[in-house]
Amino acid sequence: ETGVTQTPRHLVMGMTNKKSLKCEQHLGHNAMYWYKQSAKKPLELMFVYNFKEQTENNSVPSRFSPECPNSSHLFLHLHTLQPEDSALYLCASSRETSGGFNEQFFGPGTRLTVL
Amino acid sequence: GEDVEQSLFLSVREGDSSVINCTYTDSSSTYLYWYKQEPGAGLQLLTYIFSNMDMKQDQRLTVLLNKKDKHLSLRIADTQTGDSAIYFCAESMLDDYKLSFGAGTTVTVRA
Repeated sequence: ETGVTQTPRHLVMGMTNKKSLKCEQHLGHNAMYWYKQSAKKPLELMFVYNFKEQTENNSVPSRFSPECPNSSHLFLHLHTLQPEDSALYLCASSRETSGGFNEQFFGPGTRLTVL
Repeated sequence: GEDVEQSLFLSVREGDSSVINCTYTDSSSTYLYWYKQEPGAGLQLLTYIFSNMDMKQDQRLTVLLNKKDKHLSLRIADTQTGDSAIYFCAESMLDDYKLSFGAGTTVTVRA
């Protein structure tokens, strides 16, 4: 257990559906991250929040919409996705977004399949 | 090309040593990390090394850093079946919190 939970663990959706991924951290951290993990590719950083403020949007298409209501919760709202969006979506947290040593704690991920 | 590169697969016999290699391109990298991802789980930090070091040992794990060649390796001694996982190399800079990850090396331990 890393202290970061994600729900659902698996999600199958059609291209016209709207769904949301949820992440919760129990570590008292102030920074939260969304990553996309595709097979045989480096992890892609999507969004970063620090103290509930978005500090990074890594040119992510608008069909992905993040929300961070407080430092413990992070959502990723999905709508009109494409099949190439199928991947494992990982949430992570860290103490904050300072430079230097940055240990990030990861959740188990949501395996998303877009039909 | 990618900032951090790793070979994709490694097969090792149980009891042997595993060596996972990684190369990075940014000479200003300050911290280099090794994360482990077991099946069905997220990434967990295994170990890390600061750029002013060239070696770090932690029980069965040995990290070697060659700054001149921008090469990082992770050696796992006496590899066990529980070491089967994907191992990710990552780097970060002093003035940037973001981690740049490699694509991961899938290590398979065979009996």
